[in-house]
Amino acid sequence: GQQVMQIPQYQHVQEGEDFTTYCNSSTTLSNIQWYKQRPGGHPVFLIQLVKSGEVKKQKRLTFQFGEAKKNSSLHITATQTTDVGTYFCAGGNQFYFGTGTSLTVIP
Amino acid sequence: EADIYQTPRYLVIGTGKKITLECSQTMGHDKMYWYQQDPGMELHLIHYSYGVNSTEKGDLSSESTVSRIRTEHFPLTLESARPSHTSQYLCASSLGQGDTEAFFGQGTRLTVV
Repeated sequence: GQQVMQIPQYQHVQEGEDFTTYCNSSTTLSNIQWYKQRPGGHPVFLIQLVKSGEVKKQKRLTFQFGEAKKNSSLHITATQTTDVGTYFCAGGNQFYFGTGTSLTVIP
Repeated sequence: EADIYQTPRYLVIGTGKKITLECSQTMGHDKMYWYQQDPGMELHLIHYSYGVNSTEKGDLSSESTVSRIRTEHFPLTLESARPSHTSQYLCASSLGQGDTEAFFGQGTRLTVV
């Protein structure tokens, strides 16, 4: 199946530090979506990117879609304890999810 | 809040039993998906459907089957449960017109003993 890899797999940060997760697909994607899953919860939609080179912001979160539409990134500025969870990218017609990045924020 | 429901939430069952996990959505979504997820790990696509009478296999489908007789209902069946099936099973749906936001159910946590 389609390969959607994310790095890093785990990230521990001090509260207030920035955080970035990267998503790379083996094929060109028509669009990419980002989801957040809190511990014990289910994935919740954050955003969708469609255009090559697109950048979108949601408060402290910045999402980018690569020019070749094969990679994407999520950057969180000044992390807070409420940012804890696993962040997944997803894309492709069959809706394959990336491997996820688990974020721990140390108060 | 998304209108997609999974039952049961928790299930403990013996090896060799046949089980069906239920998933229903009231949003009229065409696309539905089943994922398997171990705690803190990635989501593995098991099956998906583009609409009524459409079912496709994902990467992890060999030991389960699905059906899509009605738009709102997408049950997943394990013919013979094994301890290796112990996991969380997540159902999701999306509108289907292009690639759109997916809504997830609360999940079924399955334990096979």
